[in-house]
Amino acid sequence: DADVTQTPRNRITKTGKRIMLECSQTKGHDRMYWYRQDPGLGLRLIYYSFDVKDINKGEISDGYSVSRQAQAKFSLSLESAIPNQTALYFCATSDTRFGYYNEQFFGPGTRLTVL
Amino acid sequence: QKEVEQNSGPLSVPEGAIASLNCTYSDRGSQSFFWYRQYSGKSPELIMSIYSNGDKEDGRFTAQLNKASQYVSLLIRDSQPSDSATYLCAVKAGNMLTFGGGTRLMVKP
Repeated sequence: DADVTQTPRNRITKTGKRIMLECSQTKGHDRMYWYRQDPGLGLRLIYYSFDVKDINKGEISDGYSVSRQAQAKFSLSLESAIPNQTALYFCATSDTRFGYYNEQFFGPGTRLTVL
Repeated sequence: QKEVEQNSGPLSVPEGAIASLNCTYSDRGSQSFFWYRQYSGKSPELIMSIYSNGDKEDGRFTAQLNKASQYVSLLIRDSQPSDSATYLCAVKAGNMLTFGGGTRLMVKP
């Protein structure tokens, strides 16, 4: 099945450490997104990419960076992790062919804890 | 600031009843509207999309859109305990989706 995968699924790290979360997809979609979810706050967009050469900041990009290594791969980095970045992180994809509607499909998520 | 508002709940309904979930949005330029279901600790799963005013039905689910009132709703008929989850409303304006905080639904046997 065409899918969105995220690694790692769980990660505990310490304040100040650099950490990378990875997302891969076999859906053939060109658009990829990174969200974080905090209890009661819904999903908030961190970064999005419409193709390999196109990277855009979302609502809450401070403290994060991204890399689009290929159409199928989109990584999120925390250069110096801090405790308030503890959250559930989701990668999502969508397809330009259905761009007007922008239906997005989510990976399984990464639970990140920063101590 | 584009906003999507949902009652956080929990909304409790008995098994077999109709569950009604509501969502309001602030951006009149919004183009597409989505309902996602999210089980605890899992990823959001797209269950309904709606783009035009009126109703759209898919099995036990009906999405309703009223752009004049900036209101979108989801009806779940014959609710089952397996429908117990958080339901996220998402609204597309421009290139991005804005999500509401979600409504937690509890279906009691």
